Amino acid sequence: AQKITQTQPGMFVQEKEAVTLDCTYDTSDPSYGLFWYKQPSSGEMIFLIYQGSYDQQNATEGRYSLNFQKARKSANLVISASQLGDSAMYFCAMSPPSGNTGKLIFGQGTTLQVKP
Amino acid sequence: DTAVSQTPKYLVTQMGNDKSIKCEQNLGHDTMYWYKQDSKKFLKIMFSYNNKELIINETVPNRFSPKSPDKAHLNLHINSLELGDSAVYFCASSDNRGGKYFGPGTRLLVL
Repeated sequence: AQKITQTQPGMFVQEKEAVTLDCTYDTSDPSYGLFWYKQPSSGEMIFLIYQGSYDQQNATEGRYSLNFQKARKSANLVISASQLGDSAMYFCAMSPPSGNTGKLIFGQGTTLQVKP
Repeated sequence: DTAVSQTPKYLVTQMGNDKSIKCEQNLGHDTMYWYKQDSKKFLKIMFSYNNKELIINETVPNRFSPKSPDKAHLNLHINSLELGDSAVYFCASSDNRGGKYFGPGTRLLVL
């Protein structure tokens, strides 16, 4: 069965520094997608970044990059130059191929606090 | 220009009542979902529809009935609400590449 694990319930980072949020996954499917979402205190789910299992390069979107290590089954999110507005809960998720139903399986989330 | 919208944003109701949550997406996506986020912030898929047809039902009680009148809408009707139904319900839609776009969520509180 597919599973996503985020082992860091909470993280602190100093403003302007970089931070890595860990995510490991488990699947026997060769084809899958990996996602990161941000959930601020207001509650909405904001899509940050996507990595396909066959993508050769690590995904980047502005200050977000995904450190994809396929052999280790890890998909860590790196946020560079942290800002106070980055304080939020972050969810890693996986979409198994499953006939392209596209459902997401989520990790437990990591709460990030950016300190001024 | 909200991509995925849900109404209402907040819903407070008594146990035993029936309520509906509406969802609309203007992204032209074929696939829509309902997710539930519990009090521990854990998110889990409930239903998935593709072109108005149900393709996933993740062992959700049959008190929950999704309805898709067209591929831009996926509504969720809940009968005989129970205390344990209190949660945040998210609607989402998916493009062909796999990108998932969430609505703002509906915070349901059953008293």
